[in-house]
Parts: sequence; C-alpha cells; structure tokens
Amino acid sequence: DQQVKQNSPSLSVQEGRISILNCDYTNSMFDYFLWYKKYPAEGPTFLISISSIKDKNEDGRFTVFLNKSAKHLSLHIVPSQPGDSAVYFCAASGAETSGSRLTFGEGTQLTVNP
Amino acid sequence: NAGVTQTPKFRVLKTGQSMTLLCAQDMNHEYMYWYRQDPGMGLRLIHYSVGEGTTAKGEVPDGYNVSRLKKQNFLLGLESAAPSQTSVYFCASSDPGQCQFFGPGTRLTVL
Repeated sequence: DQQVKQNSPSLSVQEGRISILNCDYTNSMFDYFLWYKKYPAEGPTFLISISSIKDKNEDGRFTVFLNKSAKHLSLHIVPSQPGDSAVYFCAASGAETSGSRLTFGEGTQLTVNP
Repeated sequence: NAGVTQTPKFRVLKTGQSMTLLCAQDMNHEYMYWYRQDPGMGLRLIHYSVGEGTTAKGEVPDGYNVSRLKKQNFLLGLESAAPSQTSVYFCASSDPGQCQFFGPGTRLTVL
C-alpha cells in the first residue's frame, strides 16, 4: 500500500520556466509534508516543508502547495535552473507517528535543460 | 561538522555473508534511521531509534538488525546477506519533529 505517490517518474523543463512536481497521499493522518532533493551519489537533502494548517509555503524559488481535501501537494520551482536537475522526493509524517517517521514517494527525476 | 557519515561507501558481498554498516552523526540528534532505496520505490524505512539503547522496526525490517549503543552511532547488520538486499542504504538523523539529515549512502551488492 503506497501511501505517498509521485506518479511522474520524470519531468523535463527548459531553463527559466516553471517546474511543477506533484505528490498524492492516501493517509488522512499525515499532517506534515516535506520535499527532499537528491543528486546522484549523494544523500537526500531537505528542501522545503509544509504543515497541514497551511496551504502554501514559500522559500525563494521554491513554493509548496497543499490541498488537503484532494490529498495532494505540489512543489513549484520558478525560475528553474540547470542546477535544479535532481531527483525530488515527497515525504509525509503524522502527529501520531512514533519517532517522526517519514513515508516517502517514489521520486521524480527533474531535468532542467539549458 | 561532518553531519551524518556512513561507512563503508561501497561493499560487495556473497550470499550468506554478514556485514555491519556504520552510521555516525555529530549533531547530537535523538532520532536515527536506516533506509534502503531501490529503483522506482523511493526510500523505505528499515529500522529506527528514538534514543540511545532503543530500536524499533520500520516498514521493511526482515533480514536486518540494528543497535544504538551510543547516541551518535547507529549500526545496521545483515546476518546472512541475500541478493534481495542489494540496494543503496541511507542513514539519517533528526531531533523530534524536525527534518531528517541524511548521510551519503552505502551501495551494497550481494552476489
């Protein structure tokens, strides 16, 4: 049972345009959502997060939107840069989750073309 | 600060061999985690620890054991390696309710 799903394995965009990465979840107990970025041969690094009490969180070029009724979140990157090319993982956790455990999606490979 | 470090970086085992992966963190985090990453499956939690001397099972614990004898270290053991355990293993640490910091990973191949 995949509780967090990223249905697009890959996404290709032109430099300067907007990248939109999507994530869906099924567990209504999730109340905290994160995006991680991963370069080859490195560990994931935290990018941005959002609590379920908000519907938007912005940090520079990165904005995460949360639609609780649809159980959907998205990460917008604008403008996209070639250095943004990486795998992006969506992750979720719940207040009742012991040990702040995260459930990850499958990841989306973003390629930003110069 | 080194953050989260993992040793070794690469390892090749034969079926049935055993090994231990070491994770160390210098951020004084309470929580530590072991994940495996397989193509098309994201990161799956193997075991985790909420404090020194405590461990708990994650999503895919079978075939693995862990120990947290010191707060800064979290060991992952494979007693009898199987080809299905070929994967990239990531360790992470965090404080309660905070984001997790990941190590660089260990690429394990079981022949």
